[in-house]
Amino acid sequence: NAGVTQTPKFQVLKTGQSMTLQCAQDMNHEYMSWYRQDPGMGLRLIHYSVGAGITDQGEVPNGYNVSRSTTEDFPLRLLSAAPSQTSVYFCASSRAGGSDEQFFGPGTRLTVL
Amino acid sequence: GQQVMQIPQYQHVQEGEDFTTYCNSSTTLSNIQWYKQRPGGHPVFLIQLVKSGEVKKQKRLTFQFGEAKKNSSLHITATQTTDVGTYFCAGRSGGSYIPTFGRGTSLIVHP
Repeated sequence: NAGVTQTPKFQVLKTGQSMTLQCAQDMNHEYMSWYRQDPGMGLRLIHYSVGAGITDQGEVPNGYNVSRSTTEDFPLRLLSAAPSQTSVYFCASSRAGGSDEQFFGPGTRLTVL
Repeated sequence: GQQVMQIPQYQHVQEGEDFTTYCNSSTTLSNIQWYKQRPGGHPVFLIQLVKSGEVKKQKRLTFQFGEAKKNSSLHITATQTTDVGTYFCAGRSGGSYIPTFGRGTSLIVHP
């Protein structure tokens, strides 16, 4: 099993550009989440999904969109990148949400100029 | 919303010294999880505590869940350089699908 995979590993954008961060898992997990990690701020939840076709907002959803058309994939879209979105982004999946361990992907380091 | 506070933010220790990080929630938790993130890496699950007053051990690591299920701690005995990293707690309240992470404690071990 590959576990949770994320692409790309690194990305540099200009302000106003859009892009999609990819996340996939091969563990048949129902729950998937996107976090951003900034120095001293821990892991902040952006959006999450409890199953295909179901998504909801987390703590910091503004500027991001998600969709979940399959169990395996949970892409994160930046609509119009801003310097404040410079961060490390982690995707995670779990079998049973907060009552089960979360498996994290390797992360995407995004810089917005 | 639910808040999870974690202290200290940083801890420098000499190799062989003990280390403790504390996690406090503003609400009663259903469970609490602990993760470790090595520098440049991603968070990796360590353990989950569910019961009031629960204590679990993993080699030199001891995890505790408070009687009121609002606080937790991670204690490392006789730190080693391999313990370097950031330790996060993540607590879940009854109505939440996804746990809330604390800001983490970065452990720096000096040889």
